[in-house]
Amino acid sequence: DAKTTQPNSMESNEEEPVHLPCNHSTISGTDYIHWYRQLPSQGPEYVIHGLTSNVNNRMASLAIAEDRKSSTLILHRATLRDAAVYYCILRDDKIIFGKGTRLHILP
Amino acid sequence: DAGVIQSPRHEVTEMGQEVTLRCKPISGHNSLFWYRQTMMRGLELLIYFNNNVPIDDSGMPEDRFSAKMPNASFSTLKIQPSEPRDSAVYFCASSLARQGRAGELFFGEGSRLTVL
Repeated sequence: DAKTTQPNSMESNEEEPVHLPCNHSTISGTDYIHWYRQLPSQGPEYVIHGLTSNVNNRMASLAIAEDRKSSTLILHRATLRDAAVYYCILRDDKIIFGKGTRLHILP
Repeated sequence: DAGVIQSPRHEVTEMGQEVTLRCKPISGHNSLFWYRQTMMRGLELLIYFNNNVPIDDSGMPEDRFSAKMPNASFSTLKIQPSEPRDSAVYFCASSLARQGRAGELFFGEGSRLTVL
């Protein structure tokens, strides 16, 4: 079973920031938090990951709570191409995907 | 880099036939994963390998499914005999694990299997 909890779906307007939440209350001290997304008819693609500190890359930012029991993926300026299913997972030896959050972007 | 390469991209077969799906991981990666995706069950981990050795195959549905990794650059997932309920998209992914830290997964484009 997936060890993370995410909302089933979210909506956002184009060119606005999007905050995708994830709860992982059973996280262990060595689990990395990974985010992937799956565009329609494609395989999942890596977005970002972190352990304790907030992380930024060209695709997104990851904000991790101080107790590490939750995190938020931030898309700073959503475009129509960001419409996808976003998965938050805890990375140990194997990666178990939950159902993710389906993000809809409204033009 | 060519990325993870899967073949075939699409396969249509009849119930009872043998199906072999192939995967070439990214060069230098030492972990390989096979997933299956359906609308009903989402993305399911079937099996994963570290350094060509199967580590966890608890997700393999039943004995009709088998996976091998004869070397670091090739893996197969075989279904024999196939059944209509095996229809799904099968993804292969690879990653580089180093110093006890597991890296991000890179996925192939998937093999869409339809069993009639």
